[in-house]
This record gives sequence, structure tokens and C-alpha cells, in this order.
Amino acid sequence: AQSVTQPDARVTVSEGASLQLRCKYSYSATPYLFWYVQYPRQGLQMLLKYYSGDPVVQGVNGFEAEFSKSDSSFHLRKASVHWSDSAVYFCAVSANGNVLYFGSGTKLTVEP
Amino acid sequence: DAGVTQTPRHEVAEKGQTIILKCEPVSGHNDLFWYRQTKIQGLELLSYFRSKSLMEDGGAFKDRFKAEMLNSSFSTLKIQPTEPKDSAVYLCASSPDRYEQYFGPGTRLTVL
Repeated sequence: AQSVTQPDARVTVSEGASLQLRCKYSYSATPYLFWYVQYPRQGLQMLLKYYSGDPVVQGVNGFEAEFSKSDSSFHLRKASVHWSDSAVYFCAVSANGNVLYFGSGTKLTVEP
Repeated sequence: DAGVTQTPRHEVAEKGQTIILKCEPVSGHNDLFWYRQTKIQGLELLSYFRSKSLMEDGGAFKDRFKAEMLNSSFSTLKIQPTEPKDSAVYLCASSPDRYEQYFGPGTRLTVL
């Protein structure tokens, strides 16, 4: 069975600092991997996706993520965060053609 | 293009009532999903339709939850009878390929 783990429920960073949100998945083959973001009182929006190829994928608003098969990870990164990045971030995985499974989410707070 | 529309945005129900939530997917999308979102359980899949056919019905939610897709542009989620533990945000999402999901803003349900 596939699963996805986001070990950090909350992350706080200062504006302008770099960011890494962690995501680990459990599946023997390479799954499809996603990061979604949820702003307050809104639905989720897709930030980026990985299906195959270059392990570093670029997303919207300066976000990128790196797939690591050896580590079974798909961590999200941003070089310099802005206060407007404060939101909840979800990692999601799909394997073998199944529906997406979402992680529990990481709430990001960007302090001025 | 219009995104996913959900109505109502807020619903307050008495215990034992029947409520119907509505969703209009993005035009042309073949897949439609209903999720329940709570702080404790996170995102839980309630139902998944592909081309109006029910593909997954979220096992644990079968007894009081029923999703229907009457046509390709409209879906409903009926909860009957409601219980206080059903208080949550209900999200509808549509997708052209089951993976890249486009979410509506959600309906916040409060059951008294």
C-alpha cells in the first residue's frame, strides 16, 4: 500500500529565509508525486508535480521539489519565502494508477 | 475558465437532518472527487467518479454518505442523517486525469 508522511506539522521561518518542507513516501516503484498548497478558507491548489525525468521540478511562485528514489522523498524548497507563503502544504502520492493519497500537511508560518 | 464551484459555502444543520452539498466541476474534466477535511483526520476521500461512474466510495463513509453524479457537470453529496461528528469542510475536486486535481473552495458544515 502507498502512504505519504509529512513529519513536520508546523514550520516557522523568517521572511527572506530559505525553506524546506519534508515529504517521505512509501511505495516500491516510483509513484507520481505532488505538492499542493491550501490558503485559509480556500481549497487546495497544485504547486508542482513529478512523474519522471529530471528529479528537480519547478513549480509556481519560486517553489521547487526534488525527488529522491534512494531516500523515498520529495522535499519542497524555496530559496526566499514571503509572508504570503504562509499556508498549509500537502504532499500527495499516487502509485499504480490509484487515486491520490495526501499527507497530513505542514502549516507554514512566515514571520516578518 | 471557471473553476470548481461548491454550494453552499456554509451549512448549519441540526442532528438528524438531511443535507445536500453541491459541486460543479471544471468543464471537460472526467474525474470528480469528494473529500472530507478535518484537523484531526486531514483529507479523507469520500467518493471518486470517473466519467460519471463511481470508482471508489470511501468504505467507512458508505452508510450515511451518498455521492451522485447526475451529469458530467454536476454532483451532489448527501449526508443522511447528519451527526455532530460530521462537522468538517467538504471539498470537491475535479481532474482531467485523476492526478492534477482542481479543488473548489469547500463547504463548511456544522452539525449541532
